Amino acid sequence: GNSVTQMEGPVTLSEEAFLTINCTYTATGYPSLFWYVQYPGEGLQLLLKATKADDKGSNKGFEATYRKETTSFHLEKGSVQVSDSAVYFCALSDQQGAQKLVFGQGTRLTINP
Amino acid sequence: GAGVSQSPSNKVTEKGKDVELRCDPISGHTALYWYRQSLGQGLEFLIYFQGNSAPDKSGLPSDRFSAERTGGSVSTLTIQRTQQEDSAVYLCASSLGLQVHQPQHFGDGTRLSIL
Repeated sequence: GNSVTQMEGPVTLSEEAFLTINCTYTATGYPSLFWYVQYPGEGLQLLLKATKADDKGSNKGFEATYRKETTSFHLEKGSVQVSDSAVYFCALSDQQGAQKLVFGQGTRLTINP
Repeated sequence: GAGVSQSPSNKVTEKGKDVELRCDPISGHTALYWYRQSLGQGLEFLIYFQGNSAPDKSGLPSDRFSAERTGGSVSTLTIQRTQQEDSAVYLCASSLGLQVHQPQHFGDGTRLSIL
């Protein structure tokens, strides 16, 4: 079945550092890929998405590129801020369009000033 | 409010009791999903409803779990004869439809604790 594997956390960085959170997936067909974020005390929010190979999703300075050849969707940001502290989830949905999301285990990110 | 609303926000109950969790989706959203977030299993899909179609129950972990969606709006997730492993945060999400460009909007969840 479909699955998502994220780098284990927690991840702690200093403000303005470069961020990478690795995500790889296993899926049949051509899934859509997502990054969701859960800020402290808040619900899950969609951060960005990509629906086909080589698509780049971007939002709030975060980027991720759908790499079919490496089955990856790594999340990057060039300069993190304290306000980026949250739990990040990589997810996929199958090509049937039902959007039954399969999530990775989540990565807790803490940014220190 | 304009978001997905879940109630109660917290529920503590004794093992063996039945519980009902409620979800009010965003108005006009035809698709509604339930997920479970637990320490051991992470975030798991449980069930989804789309319009008047039969729900996809493929993620329900046992026959103690059931869900209804009345009038195409409010949904109730029922867990019968609760067990300690049912302790988790139950998340509801809704979307305009099932297409990938129609993202899911999540509620804040119901934290369920089974004593």
